Amino acid sequence: EAGVAQSPRYKIIEKRQSVAFWCNPISGHATLYWYQQILGQGPKLLIQFQNNGVVDDSQLPKDRFSAERLKGVDSTLKIQPAKLEDSAVYLCASSSQGGGEQYFGPGTRLTVT
Amino acid sequence: KNEVEQSPQNLTAQEGEFITINCSYSVGISALHWLQQHPGGGIVSLFMLSSGKKKHGRLIATINIQEKHSSLHITASHPRDSAVYICAVSAGGSQGNLIFGKGTKLSVKP
Repeated sequence: EAGVAQSPRYKIIEKRQSVAFWCNPISGHATLYWYQQILGQGPKLLIQFQNNGVVDDSQLPKDRFSAERLKGVDSTLKIQPAKLEDSAVYLCASSSQGGGEQYFGPGTRLTVT
Repeated sequence: KNEVEQSPQNLTAQEGEFITINCSYSVGISALHWLQQHPGGGIVSLFMLSSGKKKHGRLIATINIQEKHSSLHITASHPRDSAVYICAVSAGGSQGNLIFGKGTKLSVKP
């Protein structure tokens, strides 16, 4: 069984630029999560999807971050415009249902200069 | 105060030692997770538990719901166990999203 795929693995951009991350969850997993992990801290949930609907986006900075999961499978997370404090690892995870065991992708390390 | 607290933050051990990492939480939970994160790598789920004790190889996880406390034990530690170990909880009534501790960085010396 293929795991959660993410791309790119690394990205360096200048502040005020835009960036997009892609995630393909494990086949058949209905729930998809995006987390932000700042160096030295635990991950923080940005948004949770159940199929193609948003379950929780309370911690997503909506003035600059957006995410979609149009067909209920893969998902994109966008930052526009980026700030220095957005430098972090962005993790995607999926589970077969909300509350179940989560499987994490390798993450995308974003550096904003 | 964070809802999930781990101790210690950093831990150095000699190969073969018995290791314990602790996690305390302040919210009602439906499950507690122990996760492992290697440098530059993604996160791997080690255990998901809501009561009692689970064992997998040299790893043992326990939880005391009344005391809101969990421990992760590693027996006969090995340098390849060096990683960050993260405790996370699924808050009761949530849709499954996790509240994470800051992690415990473990270094096992040969």
